[in-house]
Amino acid sequence: QKEVEQNSGPLSVPEGAIASLNCTYSDRGSQSFFWYRQYSGKSPELIMSIYSNGDKEDGRFTAQLNKASQYVSLLIRDSQPSDSATYLCAAHSNSGGSNYKLTFGKGTLLTVNP
Amino acid sequence: GAGVSQSPSNKVTEKGKDVELRCDPISGHTALYWYRQSLGQGLEFLIYFQGNSAPDKSGLPSDRFSAERTGGSVSTLTIQRTQQEDSAVYLCASSPWINEQFFGPGTRLTVL
Repeated sequence: QKEVEQNSGPLSVPEGAIASLNCTYSDRGSQSFFWYRQYSGKSPELIMSIYSNGDKEDGRFTAQLNKASQYVSLLIRDSQPSDSATYLCAAHSNSGGSNYKLTFGKGTLLTVNP
Repeated sequence: GAGVSQSPSNKVTEKGKDVELRCDPISGHTALYWYRQSLGQGLEFLIYFQGNSAPDKSGLPSDRFSAERTGGSVSTLTIQRTQQEDSAVYLCASSPWINEQFFGPGTRLTVL
């Protein structure tokens, strides 16, 4: 059973701080990882993809991947109230018969306080 | 470019009625997925289409649910004899092959 685990939160940070969102996955065959942002009442929006160990930066967002520890994180620098949303972590595995599926975590609710 | 579109955006129906939900994927995307998201819950995989291959229907919760994809593009999810527990947001996503999925705005279904 492939699983992606996230702390449901809520994670509350003050405006301007760094928000750190974490995710672990169970399938060692997972190769690709994605972070989606979902505002309340809206659909998930892809914000970051990461495929290799290490850091990947895009603007205020940094995704970090550690395959040995089966751990993915998303850092949001200079957090803004507009970053308040649920963040979904997803993993894709090339192994097994359903290698086209993404396994989604249940999401972490982030609240950025002005 | 145009993203994934879904219609209707909202659907209210009476218990026992049939409903059809439509998804238009991003042009050129061969993979199409349907998910269901109940209030405060995670994404529940329903069905996957890839090109002309047989779909993966393993996530459909009952035989009241079915889906088609015509011409490798537009997809319709049909729920027959709707029940109150079918109330949820139904999300469609498309992908150029596998990996990254791009979601439509969803259809909010309410069964009275």
